Amino acid sequence: KNEVEQSPQNLTAQEGEFITINCSYSVGISALHWLQQHPGGGIVSLFMLSSGKKKHGRLIATINIQEKHSSLHITASHPRDSAVYICAVPLEGGGSRLTFGEGTQLTVNP
Amino acid sequence: NAGVTQTPKFRILKIGQSMTLQCTQDMNHNYMYWYRQDPGMGLKLIYYSVGAGITDKGEVPNGYNVSRSTTEDFPLRLELAAPSQTSVYFCAGQAGALTEAFFGQGTRLTVV
Repeated sequence: KNEVEQSPQNLTAQEGEFITINCSYSVGISALHWLQQHPGGGIVSLFMLSSGKKKHGRLIATINIQEKHSSLHITASHPRDSAVYICAVPLEGGGSRLTFGEGTQLTVNP
Repeated sequence: NAGVTQTPKFRILKIGQSMTLQCTQDMNHNYMYWYRQDPGMGLKLIYYSVGAGITDKGEVPNGYNVSRSTTEDFPLRLELAAPSQTSVYFCAGQAGALTEAFFGQGTRLTVV
């Protein structure tokens, strides 16, 4: 089983701060997903990446395959970024099936 | 674009009752999943399907059943509701193994 650990579990920031959320996993993977769960409960995909770095607006995701580690960065954070951020990786030998971290609750205060 | 549509959004069941959570997608996804999310826990896979007519158990299948008669629909059936099934349920779809995942809006189920 591929174990996924996220840190921190909870994060409070002031508007404008640079945010980093970390994800480590135990078994080699082909791709890693970052998801965002809104306060209302819906889940949306932010990134799927297998190497290097991806950027979308103020969000940047990086992955180091050798170190089995990924980070999600948010630049110039805003209260609307407040959400739970979830990292997910394929189950070992599981094809498309994913295993999920417990999530990082981010609160950005104005 | 509807994407992945899940109904209902909320439901309260009495112990022993049954219900079906509906999930339909218009994105031609081969892969579909049902997850449950308990407070403070990561999403857990209940059942999944890699195509019409093919389903398989995930990590926590007990108390649930699924069917996949068409590519579009993947309903989840609870036969004898128990308090342990109180959770938030998500349906999701993927076109392929290394593709983005799309989630339904979730169903908050309470069993009393």
